[in-house]
Amino acid sequence: AQSVTQPDARVTVSEGASLQLRCKYSSSVTPYLFWYVQYPRQGLQLLLKYYSGDPVVQGVNGFEAEFSKSNSSFHLRKASVHWSDSAVYFCAVSYTGYQNFYFGKGTSLTVIP
Amino acid sequence: NAGVIQTPRHKVTGKGQEATLWCEPISGHSAVFWYRQTIVQGLEFLTYFRNQAPIDDSGMPKERFSAQMPNQSHSTLKIQSTQPQDSAVYLCASSLGTGGAEQFFGPGTRLTVL
Repeated sequence: AQSVTQPDARVTVSEGASLQLRCKYSSSVTPYLFWYVQYPRQGLQLLLKYYSGDPVVQGVNGFEAEFSKSNSSFHLRKASVHWSDSAVYFCAVSYTGYQNFYFGKGTSLTVIP
Repeated sequence: NAGVIQTPRHKVTGKGQEATLWCEPISGHSAVFWYRQTIVQGLEFLTYFRNQAPIDDSGMPKERFSAQMPNQSHSTLKIQSTQPQDSAVYLCASSLGTGGAEQFFGPGTRLTVL
């Protein structure tokens, strides 16, 4: 069965520090991969997505993610975080022929000024 | 493009009352999804429609919950005889309905059952 694991429920970093949020998926085929962000009292917003090609994809607000087929992972990175990046980040996957998403449980990021 | 619209943004019901939540997808999107979000359970898939037809309702509680999509411009999620454990944020999303298409989320409806 397909699943998405975000092993870190909470991450705290200082402003200006680098960031990596981890995501691993479990499936026999390579899915479509997404990272979403949710700010307080808002819906989810797409940060970036990966379909194929270059394993490093760029997203909004300086975020990028790297796909690794060998590790079944799609980790999110940012070189220098800002206090406004504090939010919950969700990793999600979907598959050809099935439009629904499988979401991870999310990682709550707190950036300390 | 106004994005996905959800109404109301907040709803308070008494235990045993009915709650109907509305979702207007982005024009041209053929797939509509409903999710429930709580602190404890996180983001839970409920159901989705494609071209107004129900495709997967595997996440819907078997009793009291129902969803419909009577036309391409709106979908409803109805909860009968609401219970305190139904308190959550209900999120609606829409997409182009093709494989790998990103989902666009509405702001959610916060349901509080007293």
